[in-house]
Amino acid sequence: GAGVSQSPRYKVAKRGQDVALRCDPISGHVSLFWYQQALGQGPEFLTYFQNEAQLDKSGLPSDRFFAERPEGSVSTLKIQRTQQEDSAVYLCASSTRGNTEAFFGQGTRLTVV
Amino acid sequence: SQKIEQNSEALNIQEGKTATLTCNYTNYSPAYLQWYRQDPGRGPVFLLLIRENEKEKRKERLKVTFDTTLKQSLFHITASQPADSATYLCAPSGGSYIPTFGRGTSLIVHP
Repeated sequence: GAGVSQSPRYKVAKRGQDVALRCDPISGHVSLFWYQQALGQGPEFLTYFQNEAQLDKSGLPSDRFFAERPEGSVSTLKIQRTQQEDSAVYLCASSTRGNTEAFFGQGTRLTVV
Repeated sequence: SQKIEQNSEALNIQEGKTATLTCNYTNYSPAYLQWYRQDPGRGPVFLLLIRENEKEKRKERLKVTFDTTLKQSLFHITASQPADSATYLCAPSGGSYIPTFGRGTSLIVHP
């Protein structure tokens, strides 16, 4: 595709519900990143993939957060038993390799009520 | 722990002036430093990348400096325009190459 695509664009979840956020990176991009952005803050790193390998998940805030990229392209960020503090914009980015410019999707705005 | 500092207060300038934004970092030595622009409701957009062995980088009206001794990067927009109004994020990246973002500085250019 022309850019990084994220879906859904908006998600409202009831507290305790599980959610799955999808990221379609630019075709051929090896590196994929997930970030969480709270209102008025910069993106906070969650996890990083190189192809299908999850090389760094140090930013995941709890074991309720899980990410996968099984075939080295599309990635899914899953949040189990959502809490109000999970409300944020979740951004996905991809790059040809880790130390070059990252291309971001528009993000998924998650609101937990 | 690693820390990235950008001015949290918005920078207000008049059209045509030069905007200068500051990014300071502590407790690590990034090999690269990237600058991004973010508009409301959108993902960040890459602007410039500067390497630790480069003192300055330019692209059209943009200029970035990288002082590894001061642990600081400065981002300049010359001849600023109202369309330059946005939040600007700096992202040092080290050996792991994972960009780590500051909170960003909001720039408002008044006509």
